[in-house]
Amino acid sequence: QVQLVQSGAEVKKPGASVKVSCKASGYTFTDYAMHWVRQAPGQRLEWMGWINPVNGNTKYSQKFQGRVSISRDTSASTAYMELSSLRYEDTALYYCARVHVYYYYYTMDVWGQGTTVTVSS
Amino acid sequence: DIQMTQSPSSLSASVGDSVTITCRPSQNISHFLSWYQQKPGKAPNLLIYAASSLQSGVPPRFSGNGSGTEFTLTISSLQPEDSATYHCQHSYRTPWTFGQGTKVEIK
Repeated sequence: QVQLVQSGAEVKKPGASVKVSCKASGYTFTDYAMHWVRQAPGQRLEWMGWINPVNGNTKYSQKFQGRVSISRDTSASTAYMELSSLRYEDTALYYCARVHVYYYYYTMDVWGQGTTVTVSS
Repeated sequence: DIQMTQSPSSLSASVGDSVTITCRPSQNISHFLSWYQQKPGKAPNLLIYAASSLQSGVPPRFSGNGSGTEFTLTISSLQPEDSATYHCQHSYRTPWTFGQGTKVEIK
């Protein structure tokens, strides 16, 4: 079945970097864009950016510009999200989500299980 | 950025009731709207895309309506398993943004 499996929980110190992986299975990895969304405690879901798995092109939310990098390894059907210069407020649950296009409407139809990132000194 | 405002923030209803959640974007987004259900400790689950199209496998008691700057998600005949938080999200242009969520509780 179609699924996205993310890497395990991380605890990082302020100023460090974290890299979260998202392994796709059950479909052709290059057929769908991959987006990243996070949810901080008590906050709404927040879109971070996306990658075109065919050519590796990316687009990021301005909020994270300069701190986030999304990449992929097509041979491993895996996408990655790296966030640097971590702050306490980056403590959140991070999700990858596959985007399906119906005609020209985009929607996140398959989600990873989430990866908890805790920033603590 | 397009701001998404949901109402109400929470509601409590009985099994069998019909409930409606509203989502208002700060500008016209045509039909570029999705609805998700999220249960505690779980990832969001797609219910509705393109404002009114039901995702495969989602029970038909869920329906979406609207366009432009006002959208609704209706759950007809509420079931115990519908207790969850519901989020709207636009995909009109990046950055995609979400509503603050509506928590639905069963009385």
